[in-house]
Amino acid sequence: AQKVTQAQTEISVVEKEDVTLDCVYETRDTTYYLFWYKQPPSGELVFLIRRNSFDEQNEISGRYSWNFQKSTSSFNFTITASQVVDSAVYFCALSDGGATNKLIFGTGTLLAVQP
Amino acid sequence: DTAVSQTPKYLVTQMGNDKSIKCEQNLGHDTMYWYKQDSKKFLKIMFSYNNKELIINETVPNRFSPKSPDKAHLNLHINSLELGDSAVYFCASSQVGTGQGTYEQYFGPGTRLTVT
Repeated sequence: AQKVTQAQTEISVVEKEDVTLDCVYETRDTTYYLFWYKQPPSGELVFLIRRNSFDEQNEISGRYSWNFQKSTSSFNFTITASQVVDSAVYFCALSDGGATNKLIFGTGTLLAVQP
Repeated sequence: DTAVSQTPKYLVTQMGNDKSIKCEQNLGHDTMYWYKQDSKKFLKIMFSYNNKELIINETVPNRFSPKSPDKAHLNLHINSLELGDSAVYFCASSQVGTGQGTYEQYFGPGTRLTVT
C-alpha cells in the first residue's frame, strides 16, 4: 500500500532561517510521482512541484529546493531564507501514475515563520 | 481567470438536508476529482472522473453522489447530511498521461461545509 509520512507536525522558525520539511514515502511501484503542495492560511492548495521516480535530480526554484533520494524513500523540501509569507501547511503527496492518478497525501507540516 | 472554481465557498446547513457543491474547470483537463479535508487537515480522495466516466470511488457513503455533465464540470451532491460530513471539500483537475506519467492536479478554492 502507498503511504506518505510527514513526521514534523509543526515547525516554527524566525524569518531568514533555512528550514527543511521532511517527507518519507512507501510504495511498491517502480513508477511513481511525488508532489508538494502549499496551503496558506487562506485555504487554497497551491501546486509546487512534481517529480517522477526516474528523475532523482535535485531541483531549485528561487528560495525553494527539493531533494529526492530513492535510497531513503525521501523527498524533502527546503526553504532558504524563509519569509513570513512562507507560513502555511505543506503537504507531500504520492501518485502511482496509473489510470486513477489519485494523490495520497501526507498529514502535512505546519510551518510558522516568525518576523 | 479562475482555473478551477467551486460554488459555494461556504455552506451551512442542518442535519438531514440535501446539498450540492458545483465545480468547473477551464483548463481543458480530462480528469476531475473530489477530495475531503477533515478538521485535522487530512486530505483524502473521494471520487475521480475521466471524460465523464467514474474512475475512483473511495469507500465513500452512497449519500455522496458525484455527477459530471461534461468534462469541465464535476458536481457533488450529498443526501441526508450528517454532522460528520462537516469538512472542506476540494475539487481538482488534471491531465492524465497516456502511458507517459501523471500530471499535477490543480485545486479549487474549497467549499467549507458545516452541518449543524
